[in-house]
Amino acid sequence: DAGVIQSPRHEVTEMGQEVTLRCKPISGHDYLFWYRQTMMRGLELLIYFNNNVPIDDSGMPEDRFSAKMPNASFSTLKIQPSEPRDSAVYFCASSLNREVYGYTFGSGTRLTVV
Amino acid sequence: ILNVEQSPQSLHVQEGDSTNFTCSFPSSNFYALHWYRWETAKSPEALFVMTLNGDEKKKGRISATLNTKEGYSYLYIKGSQPEDSATYLCAFGTDKLIFGTGTRLQVFP
Repeated sequence: DAGVIQSPRHEVTEMGQEVTLRCKPISGHDYLFWYRQTMMRGLELLIYFNNNVPIDDSGMPEDRFSAKMPNASFSTLKIQPSEPRDSAVYFCASSLNREVYGYTFGSGTRLTVV
Repeated sequence: ILNVEQSPQSLHVQEGDSTNFTCSFPSSNFYALHWYRWETAKSPEALFVMTLNGDEKKKGRISATLNTKEGYSYLYIKGSQPEDSATYLCAFGTDKLIFGTGTRLQVFP
């Protein structure tokens, strides 16, 4: 199993540009989570999906952020327009039986907005 | 708002020392408590998931206990090794996990 796959690993973009982060969860996992990690706030949950349906997006900071999961094997997190304060590491995680195995995290995307 | 607190923020120990750190969480409506190990430049890896009051789990030299009534969990590392150096995160919640800010452990040879 290749684990949770995120792309790109690093993204540098100019303020105002659209950024799309991608995630492929582990096959068979029915939950998918997007987290953001910053020095100030640690790991913050942005949004999560169950069976491709968004369940809770209360952590999405602003309307500039949107997330989709068109099928069980793919999710995107989009920021439009991006701002320097969006610079962070964005992690995707998936889980199946989280009471037993917990979450499996991807390697993260380090986003820098200049 | 759920609040998960971890202490200490950081810890420096000598190789061979045993150590422990604490995670505090709301004691009402408990569902599950997770511990993760997060090495620099990698992603968090699940260590334990605990759901029952009094749970004790062990993986090698690392173990964890859970007290849901008073809202705390301890993580213990026996005979710390340099490779144990990492940030240890706890997380609490139901469908979604709220993470603490972690305890950063540095083990010196």
